[in-house]
Amino acid sequence: ETGVTQTPRHLVMGMTNKKSLKCEQHLGHNAMYWYKQSAKKPLELMFVYNFKEQTENNSVPSRFSPECPNSSHLFLHLHTLQPEDSALYLCASSQDKGSTETQYFGPGTRLLVL
Amino acid sequence: AQSVAQPEDQVNVAEGNPLTVKCTYSVSGNPYLFWYVQYPNRGLQFLLKYITGDNLVKGSYGFEAEFNKSQTSFHLKKPSALVSDSALYFCAVRAYNTDKLIFGTGTRLQVFP
Repeated sequence: ETGVTQTPRHLVMGMTNKKSLKCEQHLGHNAMYWYKQSAKKPLELMFVYNFKEQTENNSVPSRFSPECPNSSHLFLHLHTLQPEDSALYLCASSQDKGSTETQYFGPGTRLLVL
Repeated sequence: AQSVAQPEDQVNVAEGNPLTVKCTYSVSGNPYLFWYVQYPNRGLQFLLKYITGDNLVKGSYGFEAEFNKSQTSFHLKKPSALVSDSALYFCAVRAYNTDKLIFGTGTRLQVFP
């Protein structure tokens, strides 16, 4: 275990549903990340938070809405998703945003949009 | 712009043989290089990283990687493969003073008994 947990592990939702993904890290880190992993594509960075402040939004559609209430918790709120949003969503954390810092990943949430 | 290339989609190796998973990169300035492994239905697990110093970096599970600046490569190696090493391996690079970690498309390693 890496010290980063994600719930739920699997999620099936319709295009009109609203759901949320949760990430929690027990490592005392200050930076947290959301990534999207699709088959045959490199990991796509979606959002970065450092000390609860969003520092990067990588041109992510507004149907994805992140929330970081504290340095240990990160949410990804989902609404009116499209089938092409089906993917593995990975959360990661690192001590801070520094270039040499290692990111530690959670197990991911496998999302299927019908 | 930063980029990472993993030229092989899949690498097959017999158990007990040495393995190499290739990675080349392109960045401006000094690169910081990482290897991760992903087992089925799991997230990415950190294996090792190169920041500075000795070009040969040793990591978890007996893996090592060699930083070669002239060839802009950071190949992952292990002297003797195990069936349990079968997984998806990702190389990643970050340039000095940038936040974004750029991942390759991954290489599937299959170790046959």
